[in-house]
Amino acid sequence: KQEVTQIPAALSVPEGENLVLNCSFTDSAIYNLQWFRQDPGKGLTSLLLIQSSQREQTSGRLNASLDKSSGRSTLYIAASQPGDSATYLCAPSWNTDKLIFGTGTRLQVFP
Amino acid sequence: EAQVTQNPRYLITVTGKKLTVTCSQNMNHEYMSWYRQDPGLGLRQIYYSMNVEVTDKGDVPEGYKVSRKEKRNFPLILESPSPNQTSLYFCASSLSEFQPQHFGDGTRLSIL
Repeated sequence: KQEVTQIPAALSVPEGENLVLNCSFTDSAIYNLQWFRQDPGKGLTSLLLIQSSQREQTSGRLNASLDKSSGRSTLYIAASQPGDSATYLCAPSWNTDKLIFGTGTRLQVFP
Repeated sequence: EAQVTQNPRYLITVTGKKLTVTCSQNMNHEYMSWYRQDPGLGLRQIYYSMNVEVTDKGDVPEGYKVSRKEKRNFPLILESPSPNQTSLYFCASSLSEFQPQHFGDGTRLSIL
């Protein structure tokens, strides 16, 4: 069974810190992996999508890396800001029709 | 504005009373999907559709129905809702199964 684990479950840091959020998954034969952000009372916003053939993707202060062989992905957030406070979800896809989500890391960045 | 719209956003109802949650997207996306989100369980897929008239079960389809008669709409139907279907529901769409998914703002259902 394919499972996704995110560590830590929650994280509270002061503004300006660089952060690493971790995602691990069983079965390395993924098609791609997405990182999402969820704000309270809102839907999910796609941040980055990494294809299985890629090692990383970058968007602004965000960098996501993928190591398929070890079943890991990390989301790096540079120079964190209070506006980054949200829950971050990773979602690998093992076939062409569905994502499987981790339970997320709840991030709080305080001024 | 490109968006996925769900209605209603909130609903409190009683066991056994049929309900429909609508989902509409204005991006001409082929792929649409329904998820439920529960504390400690994360998001789980209920049903998905690769195109018009093509639907398939996700991980937790029991007690739900869907239809895809038009490309833009993908309603979720609970024929006889039960309390264990109390949850936060999300509809999502994407250009294809390989593209990032766009999510609606969610529908919070409470079944008493």
